[in-house]
Amino acid sequence: EAQVTQNPRYLITVTGKKLTVTCSQNMNHEYMSWYRQDPGLGLRQIYYSMNVEVTDKGDVPEGYKVSRKEKRNFPLILESPSPNQTSLYFCASSLAGNSPLHFGNGTRLTVT
Amino acid sequence: AQSVTQPDIHITVSEGASLELRCNYSYGATPYLFWYVQSPGQGLQLLLKYFSGDTLVQGIKGFEAEFKRSQSSFNLRKPSVHWSDAAEYFCAVAVFGNEKLTFGTGTRLTIIP
Repeated sequence: EAQVTQNPRYLITVTGKKLTVTCSQNMNHEYMSWYRQDPGLGLRQIYYSMNVEVTDKGDVPEGYKVSRKEKRNFPLILESPSPNQTSLYFCASSLAGNSPLHFGNGTRLTVT
Repeated sequence: AQSVTQPDIHITVSEGASLELRCNYSYGATPYLFWYVQSPGQGLQLLLKYFSGDTLVQGIKGFEAEFKRSQSSFNLRKPSVHWSDAAEYFCAVAVFGNEKLTFGTGTRLTIIP
């Protein structure tokens, strides 16, 4: 089954404790992206990747890192999480940048 | 830079009634336009897309949308809603040559019996 898999689904952590949210897709998609969803703000893009070893900033990249060492994986790293990063995070992939996106089921992160 | 406006935060519709969700975009050239739906606890699912050609596009679950260049709009419609259509709906726009998809703030749809 074609899918984008994110883990974990729920994560509660404390300020400053490094964490990684994993994202994997099995559709051989070139493009992958991370979004955060906040009430009243819709989805905002954090980072995206056009291909292996190619990443670029989205609208809200501060406080986040990503890597794309393999085509299928695109982890999101928070080196020192802060409470304002409490949010619902989505990973998505597509054939190309303007193609329809396939979304994961989301990761709800709480930073206390 | 492109932007998307969904003016209705929340809409309530009776089951069986017709539905129209509004979306306006801001961009000089013809954009790529999308509607996504998000059911509670789920990721977003593509309903339909417009790239070029016929300005009335059909999507899944009986939805359609019409691209109106003169009004910079891409409104989503359904003739008769079902209780299972209760969800949040997002309009999104992309532009050729720019790998950035910009989402609207969403419209939450409630269906009443």
